[in-house]
Amino acid sequence: NAGVTQTPKFQVLKTGQSMTLQCAQDMNHEYMSWYRQDPGMGLRLIHYSVGAGITDQGEVPNGYNVSRSTTEDFPLRLLSAAPSQTSVYFCASSYSWGQDGELFFGEGSRLTVL
Amino acid sequence: AQTVTQSQPEMSVQEAETVTLSCTYDTSESDYYLFWYKQPPSRQMILVIRQEAYKQQNATENRFSVNFQKAAKSFSLKISDSQLGDAAMYFCARTGANSKLTFGKGITLSVRP
Repeated sequence: NAGVTQTPKFQVLKTGQSMTLQCAQDMNHEYMSWYRQDPGMGLRLIHYSVGAGITDQGEVPNGYNVSRSTTEDFPLRLLSAAPSQTSVYFCASSYSWGQDGELFFGEGSRLTVL
Repeated sequence: AQTVTQSQPEMSVQEAETVTLSCTYDTSESDYYLFWYKQPPSRQMILVIRQEAYKQQNATENRFSVNFQKAAKSFSLKISDSQLGDAAMYFCARTGANSKLTFGKGITLSVRP
């Protein structure tokens, strides 16, 4: 059972380049989300999805796009990378979009934008 | 904005001793969940313990327990018999409006042998 799988684990980009961080889960979870982790800032929610075809913005959505065409996949797209997007990104999923949903996290993707 | 506050950026504990990590939060919800997550150097986020706000009894998971004070909006984590493997960053988190999970900034715990 793979859980939540993120790729790539490391990526270096130049300013202005675009890329997609992939996230897949094999637990049939309805809820999926993307967080970024920056030193001294904790984890901040970028976008989330409560099911296939449904996405919404989190706390820091600017510069990122998401889509949810299947239950399993929730890719995060950086449209035009900026140095401020240098961060560690986590994908997380949960069985229920509810108060008690334990989040299962991927291993994180470290992105550096030069 | 509804926030989760972890005021101590770092703490240190002697192996086998007990340490308490503090967390306070702000919410207008009457029912919500609180969590502590552990992030070791491997970067993997691991759920340590969870507490439902309407339950009076403090949650316990082996050496980990919480002191939940709903009126004070306080949710501290107590680690008993600290082990070297407990060294990590710990995040307090709370569900809020639309069930989104909000995290504190984290605290780095070191364990002295």
